[in-house]
Amino acid sequence: DAGVIQSPRHEVTEMGQEVTLRCKPISGHNSLFWYRQTMMRGLELLIYFNNNVPIDDSGMPEDRFSAKMPNASFSTLKIQPSEPRDSAVYFCASSRNGEETQYFGPGTRLLVL
Amino acid sequence: SQQGEEDPQALSIQEGENATMNCSYKTSINNLQWYRQNSGRGLVHLILIRSNEREKHSGRLRVTLDTSKKSSSLLITASRAADTASYFCATASNDYKLSFGAGTTVTVRA
Repeated sequence: DAGVIQSPRHEVTEMGQEVTLRCKPISGHNSLFWYRQTMMRGLELLIYFNNNVPIDDSGMPEDRFSAKMPNASFSTLKIQPSEPRDSAVYFCASSRNGEETQYFGPGTRLLVL
Repeated sequence: SQQGEEDPQALSIQEGENATMNCSYKTSINNLQWYRQNSGRGLVHLILIRSNEREKHSGRLRVTLDTSKKSSSLLITASRAADTASYFCATASNDYKLSFGAGTTVTVRA
């Protein structure tokens, strides 16, 4: 069974450009999480979806960040416009309802110049 | 914000030795989980201990939880080079939200 799939694995862009990160959760998982990992702030939860509905977006830094989950097998995290301080590794994770364990994707390493 | 704080920040041991790391947290929890992250990879779930449990084992891993002290420890016995990774504790206070600590970086020397 394939794990959580993220693309791209690496992204280098210039300040002001739009960045779109993609995630395919594990089939059958109802919950999807987007995290950001930096040396300074560690691993932070950005947004949580359950059954494709955003439940908690309190971790989204500002209006430049948006996330969607149009169906059970796909989610995007968009940054527009991007800034150098957005440079980080972004992880997507999924889990089944009723299970506390989260399954992480390999991450997207984003560098904004 | 980070709920869990791991100690030490870094640990270097010889292959075959045991590695112990600790996690302290601030608020009441439903469960506490430990994850491993190899360099450049995502996090992998290792073990979960519930608030009403005191100790749990999984292979070479042993986790303890002391809710009165709001602390947990992870012991890796007979360490191997493949155990070189960062280890994170994550606390869960409700159904979905995990709060991760800053992690302990473990290096196992051959």
